[in-house]
Amino acid sequence: EAGVAQSPRYKIIEKRQSVAFWCNPISGHATLYWYQQILGQGPKLLIQFQNNGVVDDSQLPKDRFSAERLKGVDSTLKIQPAKLEDSAVYLCASSLDLLGQYFGPGTRLTVT
Amino acid sequence: GNSVTQMEGPVTLSEEAFLTINCTYTATGYPSLFWYVQYPGEGLQLLLKATKADDKGSNKGFEATYRKETTSFHLEKGSVQVSDSAVYFCALSNDYKLSFGAGTTVTVRA
Repeated sequence: EAGVAQSPRYKIIEKRQSVAFWCNPISGHATLYWYQQILGQGPKLLIQFQNNGVVDDSQLPKDRFSAERLKGVDSTLKIQPAKLEDSAVYLCASSLDLLGQYFGPGTRLTVT
Repeated sequence: GNSVTQMEGPVTLSEEAFLTINCTYTATGYPSLFWYVQYPGEGLQLLLKATKADDKGSNKGFEATYRKETTSFHLEKGSVQVSDSAVYFCALSNDYKLSFGAGTTVTVRA
């Protein structure tokens, strides 16, 4: 079974630029998550989708972050404009049920 | 709200030593509990899980028991190897939402 795919793996941008991350979940997993993991901390949920609908985006900084999941499969997370404090690893995960989420390798973003 | 508190690291051990990482939680209802592991340069991997009180999750020689009375889910391994060097995260899930602890970095020396 293929795992969660993410791209790119690394990205370096300057502050005020924009960036987009892509995620393809495990086939059949209806629930998709985006997390932000700052160095030395646990992942923090940014947004949760159930199929193509948003279930929880309470911790998403909506003035600069946006996410979509068209057709209920792939998802993109965008940051525009980026700030220095957005430097982190962005993790995508998917789940079928309550018994665990499966994570992609992450995208390491550096904002200079 | 939900929260997870885990033992601060870093933890440094010799090969074949016994490892314990403490984890306690606060949650409404009856959450599922998880341990995730993050090896250097890799993404998070599910290590083990438990879905109800007194359940024991186990994998790769690691074990953790869901203790409702002490709201704990401590991770243990009897004899660690160098390959166990990683960051370990305790997490709980309510309604499909995962709440993570801050992570414990474990380094095993040969």
